[in-house]
Amino acid sequence: EVQLVESGGGLVQPGGSLRLSCAASGFTFNRYDMNWVRQAPGKGLEWVSYIDSSGSTVYYADSVKGRFTISRDSAKNSLYLQMNSLRAEDTAVYYCARSPDMDVWGKGTTVTVSS
Amino acid sequence: QLVLTQSPSASASLGGSVKLTCTLSSGHNSYAIAWHQQQPEKGPRYLMKVNSDGSHNKGDGIPDRFSGSSSGAERYLTISSLQSEDEADYYCQTWGSDRVFGGGTKLTVL
Repeated sequence: EVQLVESGGGLVQPGGSLRLSCAASGFTFNRYDMNWVRQAPGKGLEWVSYIDSSGSTVYYADSVKGRFTISRDSAKNSLYLQMNSLRAEDTAVYYCARSPDMDVWGKGTTVTVSS
Repeated sequence: QLVLTQSPSASASLGGSVKLTCTLSSGHNSYAIAWHQQQPEKGPRYLMKVNSDGSHNKGDGIPDRFSGSSSGAERYLTISSLQSEDEADYYCQTWGSDRVFGGGTKLTVL
């Protein structure tokens, strides 16, 4: 079964850091580009970051540029999102999704930034 | 700049049909898009890819009631024989030079 499972969410204070993980299974992970997408409470979907299959090309939404870092480990079939300098507006459910048309989604992990 | 525009809401009767629209911004008529469904309190689910020529490729397990089409800058999702579980938010998304989501359409099944 093709599957993505996110983990690492939680409650963090403004200015803090979190590292999200996404474990992939059921497909050849190192052949696919990957994305992080988030959804703030009551809002729509927002693309956050992209990484190509080799890990050499990455893109970020302007809202997270300079604060978030996407990476991957093909040996572990895993995708990561390092989130630093977190703000209240980063509060959201974070999903990983397979590129290009996001045909596989995880169930998400919740990040809450609050004091 | 690539923008996807969706109507915020739509409604249709149980057993009826509805056609949702996603409009690509000027100069992006050739782009394919994907449709995703998000039922209440659930994560997104991939429905299909819709190409500029109107062809579409559905995800695994997506019922035949769901179909896609295109006309110019517009990409459509048609749902027939509406069921209560089709009440959901529907998002279009593309992956050209930017990865962009539309604002979503909230579908109410009456």
